[in-house]
Amino acid sequence: GESVGLHLPTLSVQEGDNSIINCAYSNSASDYFIWYKQESGKGPQFIIDIRSNMDKRQGQRVTVLLNKTVKHLSLQIAATQPGDSAVYFCAENVRGYSTLTFGKGTMLLVSP
Amino acid sequence: DTAVSQTPKYLVTQMGNDKSIKCEQNLGHDTMYWYKQDSKKFLKIMFSYNNKELIINETVPNRFSPKSPDKAHLNLHINSLELGDSAVYFCASSLQGADIGKLFFGSGTQLSVL
Repeated sequence: GESVGLHLPTLSVQEGDNSIINCAYSNSASDYFIWYKQESGKGPQFIIDIRSNMDKRQGQRVTVLLNKTVKHLSLQIAATQPGDSAVYFCAENVRGYSTLTFGKGTMLLVSP
Repeated sequence: DTAVSQTPKYLVTQMGNDKSIKCEQNLGHDTMYWYKQDSKKFLKIMFSYNNKELIINETVPNRFSPKSPDKAHLNLHINSLELGDSAVYFCASSLQGADIGKLFFGSGTQLSVL
């Protein structure tokens, strides 16, 4: 299940389950959204992005959903594997600005 | 070949010292960044350089000074280190324009100030 503790929100799933990681963003001017995966001891790694003119985008085993009405973004991972265990960040960008604003991160723990 | 490499990976030092972290990217990107990640994993932009010119300087103490000798390198020098500077520092690079969100990160430098 999902929990919010003293540190990172953590989602614990069993191998083979589908995982859904959620992200709320605050800037209504943001028009580009990205998900990153950070494994232990490594830098964040780009997974998938979506622009505000879309509400869904699919990659390999991952799907990003965007709901601009409620300023909500989600990352769905199909058939979660132990190698998916990591911290996942959403990030947003406003057109014309050269930097990303990262969300707080969610730790995904996958049990064999 | 490592796309974005930063050194050192670990840096342990005393308060008041001056230290530098180096970063190099071989991706041909024109924009480089420094991010700070705190103990709660929160990632915050510090600096952004485009073609050796500073374009973003967030509210970072002026003890932190980035230097970009060319567009493939962005080093970070920190003077008079304080306990609160302890964090993981990430260098990243990207192309401008439509690919601005596709950052390539280094593996981080874990700075511990004692």
